[in-house]
Amino acid sequence: SQQGEEDPQALSIQEGENATMNCSYKTSINNLQWYRQNSGRGLVHLILIRSNEREKHSGRLRVTLDTSKKSSSLLITASRAADTASYFCATVPSGYSTLTFGKGTMLLVSP
Amino acid sequence: NAGVTQTPKFQVLKTGQSMTLQCAQDMNHEYMSWYRQDPGMGLRLIHYSVGAGITDQGEVPNGYNVSRSTTEDFPLRLLSAAPSQTSVYFCASRPLKSHEQYFGPGTRLTVT
Repeated sequence: SQQGEEDPQALSIQEGENATMNCSYKTSINNLQWYRQNSGRGLVHLILIRSNEREKHSGRLRVTLDTSKKSSSLLITASRAADTASYFCATVPSGYSTLTFGKGTMLLVSP
Repeated sequence: NAGVTQTPKFQVLKTGQSMTLQCAQDMNHEYMSWYRQDPGMGLRLIHYSVGAGITDQGEVPNGYNVSRSTTEDFPLRLLSAAPSQTSVYFCASRPLKSHEQYFGPGTRLTVT
């Protein structure tokens, strides 16, 4: 069964605005990852946050993790049209090595 | 490095036919996995392998077989294709000590 659930399912913003996507999961985790998928392409790893970390940054990306609420958020600052893609959170449950994906958020950034 | 490569890119099968989806990686990754992606869904794990000679089932293994005779290759076999197996299939790999996965470009399979 799918571990993560992203919210919202779809998000439409203008270039320059910030985009925030949320992910909730069900069981304790080893780490949580965010991936991007451009239309018709494979997934690309964006960022990984471990269960003992609360916040992580990578360029225009900021990820937070709240293990008490079993939730994470991905913030993309100063969005660009090239950020248009689907974004997936994925978790590695504690004690496991496999990755479990949510259903994704479709982000549309209009020029 | 070519990364993770998958062939074919597209395939149409008739119900009952068999075929093999190829996956190869040139990064010497021990861990390889197969996922399927259906419309509106995330990726679901079919099978995975932690090294040559070792394979295990994921969430949706029925109707699929895998083998891992080399570190580089991880083929996925459909034994008797069914319309429910119409999907986009992704292969991924990673080093054992890292959880960051590298994905191939996918194979779009249609079963009629």
